[in-house]
Amino acid sequence: GAVVSQHPSWVICKSGTSVKIECRSLDFQATTMFWYRQFPKQSLMLMATSNEGSKATYEQGVEKDKFLINHASLTLSTLTVTSAHPEDSSFYICSADRQGTNYGYTFGSGTRLTVV
Amino acid sequence: AQKITQTQPGMFVQEKEAVTLDCTYDTSDQSYGLFWYKQPSSGEMIFLIYQGSYDEQNATEGRYSLNFQKARKSANLVISASQLGDSAMYFCAMREGRTGGFKTIFGAGTRLFVKA
Repeated sequence: GAVVSQHPSWVICKSGTSVKIECRSLDFQATTMFWYRQFPKQSLMLMATSNEGSKATYEQGVEKDKFLINHASLTLSTLTVTSAHPEDSSFYICSADRQGTNYGYTFGSGTRLTVV
Repeated sequence: AQKITQTQPGMFVQEKEAVTLDCTYDTSDQSYGLFWYKQPSSGEMIFLIYQGSYDEQNATEGRYSLNFQKARKSANLVISASQLGDSAMYFCAMREGRTGGFKTIFGAGTRLFVKA
């Protein structure tokens, strides 16, 4: 079955530093990947749509310079949280669109970011 | 306006009984997809079931079935013979068509507690 690997699963960083989160589709090519953010006990909020070879499309209210997305290949998208602050602490989860299937997006296992 | 509405923040069900989790949606697209995902405490998103807007029959996947009422714009999830392992957060999601930019948005979720 379709597998998406997300790394790291958790990270603690100091305020002001940057953190990169990777999302890889292991057995299929994903032209589109999505990045979500989830606060405790809340739903997933779409942050941006990552398209291979082009700029990401950000949702309203998401800072492009804060959350840098790169989708340089058909199997890898990265989200970099720049100059992280405690309010950026959250659960970040990616999903990949395996074209041609109606069986839902495949999600990574998520990354829990804590900024201290 | 809310596009996906889950009105039950929490639900309790006795083990081995059936439970229905409610979901209503709003879209102007004619073509769209409806999904249910399960999120256990580990955070991973587990795809459960899919219903296409043009599907005439309700989707079923093992103990999961989707009660699709298009005119009422509802897509309720029915879990039969509940098990203790079903205790988790459940999200209803909709992937809109062209009008919605082919994005998937999630409802607020329902936390299901299965009692022994």
